[in-house]
Amino acid sequence: SSELTQDPAVSVALGQTVRITCQGDSLRSYYASWYQQKPGQAPVLVIYGPNNRPSGIPDRFSGSSSGNTASLTITGAQAEDEADYYCNSRDSNDNHVVFGGGTKLTVL
Amino acid sequence: QVQLQESGPGLVKPSGTLSLTCAVSGGSISSNNWWSWVRQPPGKGLEWIGEIYHSGSTNYNPSLKSRVTISVDKSKNELSLKLGSVTAADTALYYCARGTRQTSIIFRYYYMDVWGKGTTVTVS
Repeated sequence: SSELTQDPAVSVALGQTVRITCQGDSLRSYYASWYQQKPGQAPVLVIYGPNNRPSGIPDRFSGSSSGNTASLTITGAQAEDEADYYCNSRDSNDNHVVFGGGTKLTVL
Repeated sequence: QVQLQESGPGLVKPSGTLSLTCAVSGGSISSNNWWSWVRQPPGKGLEWIGEIYHSGSTNYNPSLKSRVTISVDKSKNELSLKLGSVTAADTALYYCARGTRQTSIIFRYYYMDVWGKGTTVTVS
């Protein structure tokens, strides 16, 4: 399968920890990468590989993986973290790129 | 740092061909990267359209493959997208993005670390 599945929406209280998950067979072969997208803006890479953050991404963002599930964890969520989050990888045959359907994160 | 800028007509007639260009600045399109087109219909998620390597090798989304052509012009440091037989369902914000693939015996990963701001295309 080349699909990645995400929960459509997740909420978290300000300052608390939230985990956003992504499931798919391709994740047994490829680590997921994660993107944050705020309204009217292009996606921004926040996590890639085992648990790598691009320069400028706060260390409250972290990634993990187990079997066919990848997770993005935000430890101490801030109001500015409210956004849509997408996971992404290549398919198991390495021929195509796939995105999850996205998770809308609300910070309460 | 590398920047990407999409450009092209914002309005395309049904059954026509959508043509977009992505200019790469601050770096070379001949770097060890795959260059992708990604689109986002209004209010919906991201959809990968296809990718190209500077050698000309391409991969396309199976759902769009029959209508898509992605090409690269190394002399201009840009990539292009053509999508034929468009319908209203092709109305979207179109992005170009730089992809990096890293593999070893132990792991594989892929990410898109540079994105353009996107360009809106309406089919009407």
